[in-house]
Amino acid sequence: DQQVKQNSPSLSVQEGRISILNCDYTNSMFDYFLWYKKYPAEGPTFLISISSIKDKNEDGRFTVFLNKSAKHLSLHIVPSQPGDSAVYFCAASRGGGTGAGSYQLTFGKGTKLSVIP
Amino acid sequence: DSGVTQTPKHLITATGQRVTLRCSPRSGDLSVYWYQQSLDQGLQFLIQYYNGEERAKGNILERFSAQQFPDLHSELNLSSLELGDSALYFCASSVGVSRKWETQYFGPGTRLLVL
Repeated sequence: DQQVKQNSPSLSVQEGRISILNCDYTNSMFDYFLWYKKYPAEGPTFLISISSIKDKNEDGRFTVFLNKSAKHLSLHIVPSQPGDSAVYFCAASRGGGTGAGSYQLTFGKGTKLSVIP
Repeated sequence: DSGVTQTPKHLITATGQRVTLRCSPRSGDLSVYWYQQSLDQGLQFLIQYYNGEERAKGNILERFSAQQFPDLHSELNLSSLELGDSALYFCASSVGVSRKWETQYFGPGTRLLVL
């Protein structure tokens, strides 16, 4: 059962335009969400995060929006640059104390973003 | 460069065999995490060690095992390999066991191909 879903395996965007990557989750216990970026032959690197007490977090060209009622988050990249071409993973963490489940990240399958010059 | 090293980078083996993947965490990091990225399942958490002790277990098969040594490097052992075990295996490290995921750094991965 996929608790974190990224339904678009790929996305192509023109340079300078907005890229919107989407992520849905099913577990209402998730309270912290992250986006990772992964280039070929490298491990994922942290990009931006958001706590469930917020609905938006911004860092430069990257903004993450969280809609708790819809169990949906999105990553906006504005403006998109060719160097943003990578696979983007959405990940979620569960709250609720110190149990082992609190220390696991659940990832989506990723969305491959291609920014066309 | 995240500071996390993984060896080997690539591994090709046959079904039924056993392999060992190695991870050296960033200097000062006591926690090591193992993840598997397969084509159909995406990135999945396998297991976490903190200072030599197992802390959390995810979707790790019984044929797989891991350990963390006193020098804090970790090994992931995969046995009775099946075709479906072909995947990228990532190691990540962090200082402690908190949920400060932003300070979890991933290595470049080991690509395993089982023929």
